[in-house]
Amino acid sequence: GAGVSQSPSNKVTEKGKDVELRCDPISGHTALYWYRQRLGQGLEFLIYFQGNSAPDKSGLPSDRFSAERTGESVSTLTIQRTQQEDSAVYLCASSLAGGGRSEQFFGPGTRLTVL
Amino acid sequence: GENVEQHPSTLSVQEGDSAVIKCTYSDSASNYFPWYKQELGKRPQLIIDIRSNVGEKKDQRIAVTLNKTAKHFSLHITETQPEDSAVYFCAASIIGGSTLGRLYFGRGTQLTVWP
Repeated sequence: GAGVSQSPSNKVTEKGKDVELRCDPISGHTALYWYRQRLGQGLEFLIYFQGNSAPDKSGLPSDRFSAERTGESVSTLTIQRTQQEDSAVYLCASSLAGGGRSEQFFGPGTRLTVL
Repeated sequence: GENVEQHPSTLSVQEGDSAVIKCTYSDSASNYFPWYKQELGKRPQLIIDIRSNVGEKKDQRIAVTLNKTAKHFSLHITETQPEDSAVYFCAASIIGGSTLGRLYFGRGTQLTVWP
């Protein structure tokens, strides 16, 4: 079946502009995670959604970052007033169950470049 | 919070040789340790994982060992092939804990297998 998909695959923006990144999880997956991968680095956790529970936003690096998820479907990550240090690959992952009880499947990522 | 260190950052081996990548973690509550393979421009994919109630796990040419006392775990790849060339990430998480299954990643190891 279809895996996790993300759009756009690449985004180039100017400093100060807002961007919106989209993640479509695997159908039926209740948990959704966003991670950021800077060049040459590991993935760092940003935010976690589980069903209709309040999201865990503890990984968001600043109040310029926000994310939403409608039920158990699409999620959007919004970065306002982008800065050059926001340049990275943003990956989303979904899993059948929350709390780390099942494998996280990753999307292909969105490569964000802030000029 | 959890801190995962991974070594080496780069590893070059001849085809047919073995490769070993080592990781340490800081939070003794971590109980799940997956390894991801990320080929250039592709999404991370789970290749093997181990839970803290097991000391070793094998899957064909890949094995993972875990030493809970020392808080370190290792990936072993035997009879390496050029298609094993990729970046490998270790990660740690707590299943069912307060961190909700988020993965804490090491910085990655670029493995190159020369024919």
